Amino acid sequence: SQQGEEDPQALSIQEGENATMNCSYKTSINNLQWYRQNSGRGLVHLILIRSNEREKHSGRLRVTLDTSKKSSSLLITASRAADTASYFCATANAGNNRKLIWGLGTSLAVNP
Amino acid sequence: DVKVTQSSRYLVKRTGEKVFLECVQDMDHENMFWYRQDPGLGLRLIYFSYDVKMKEKGDIPEGYSVSREKKERFSLILESASTNQTSMYLCASSLGIAGSETQYFGPGTRLLVL
Repeated sequence: SQQGEEDPQALSIQEGENATMNCSYKTSINNLQWYRQNSGRGLVHLILIRSNEREKHSGRLRVTLDTSKKSSSLLITASRAADTASYFCATANAGNNRKLIWGLGTSLAVNP
Repeated sequence: DVKVTQSSRYLVKRTGEKVFLECVQDMDHENMFWYRQDPGLGLRLIYFSYDVKMKEKGDIPEGYSVSREKKERFSLILESASTNQTSMYLCASSLGIAGSETQYFGPGTRLLVL
């Protein structure tokens, strides 16, 4: 079952601009993770944010989590062409931590 | 770095064939996962394993089985391939339980069933 829903489904920006993607989910979670997938490849983990955290940074990535709104956002600052990829959020439910539930992803295109 | 490898990047099989997809990880991870990825449907969990010889059904186990005889290897078996199993198959592993740990993915196997 899909829990996370990313929006927008697709995003196209110019190099140097910031990109913001959102993820909404339905049930209480232990944590939320963001992954990147380059075209036709496996997924790469970006950030894990726990339910008691509100914000986390990693390089040019900033993730926020609002458990009251059941939503998270991923901000990529100063985007590069190499950031072109699909971005997925995945949640671990508080009641079942043994598997992740994935969103459908946001497809990001960064134009040179 | 964790490395997860999958036996094939591309595979073409005929309807009714038995298909084996192999996944190997080199970091002594307890947990391994098989997903399929289809446009508009995202990643869906087929099976996962939290220990050798242990397995648990995911969200879409029908038509699939798995085998984990050694810690580093997790095999996905399509007993009798059908055209609706044409998909991208992704294997992943994690040190701890899925919800608390990073999952490391293989490059994927794109399977076409004719």
